Amino acid sequence: AAGVIQSPRHLIKEKRETATLKCYPIPRHDTVYWYQQGPGQDPQFLISFYEKMQSDKGSIPDRFSAQQFSDYHSELNMSSLELGDSALYFCASRKQGRSRAGELFFGEGSRLTVL
Amino acid sequence: AQKITQTQPGMFVQEKEAVTLDCTYDTSDQSYGLFWYKQPSSGEMIFLIYQGSYDEQNATEGRYSLNFQKARKSANLVISASQLGDSAMYFCAMRELNSGGSNYKLTFGKGTLLTVNP
Repeated sequence: AAGVIQSPRHLIKEKRETATLKCYPIPRHDTVYWYQQGPGQDPQFLISFYEKMQSDKGSIPDRFSAQQFSDYHSELNMSSLELGDSALYFCASRKQGRSRAGELFFGEGSRLTVL
Repeated sequence: AQKITQTQPGMFVQEKEAVTLDCTYDTSDQSYGLFWYKQPSSGEMIFLIYQGSYDEQNATEGRYSLNFQKARKSANLVISASQLGDSAMYFCAMRELNSGGSNYKLTFGKGTLLTVNP
């Protein structure tokens, strides 16, 4: 079965550079979530989209922006990168109303290292 | 305020023994869901088990079971017959509605690092 696809899997950037992470949800899933997990930390919710509209916002820095496109894939854009942005970035997707559990299906993550 | 509490930063268990990972939660919602995820050293987040607040029976999925005590607001994960491959970080998470009430998100605990010894 198709899973959530994230790219790139690994990314190395310099401070003050820009990075873009992509997420392709499971087919027919309409909701996408972004989470940030720092080293040794629990995942922190950044932002979510439902039907291409932002549905909730968490602890996402102003330097970050995200959107969901017409094909439901999502991109997380990060500018003016800081050392503290080094983390594993997860994308997750779900189909609203489809799962009793409301389970989020996670991608394998994109590991960003800022030097 | 922290909503999911995992009090065990690390746990050790002998192979083939059972282990319980603790999780307590705090919510004022009547309807909520609790999840356990496994994160191996490779980093992916693997769904293990789910318990809904209205479920009368404890959830079970193979070797995983969830000891749900609603009055105590606890949702402990029990892993039976531990295997070496169970060594990983385990996160308890709670499903909660967003501020507009139109969508869910998951809030995670700090995790418990389980090590299975041969």
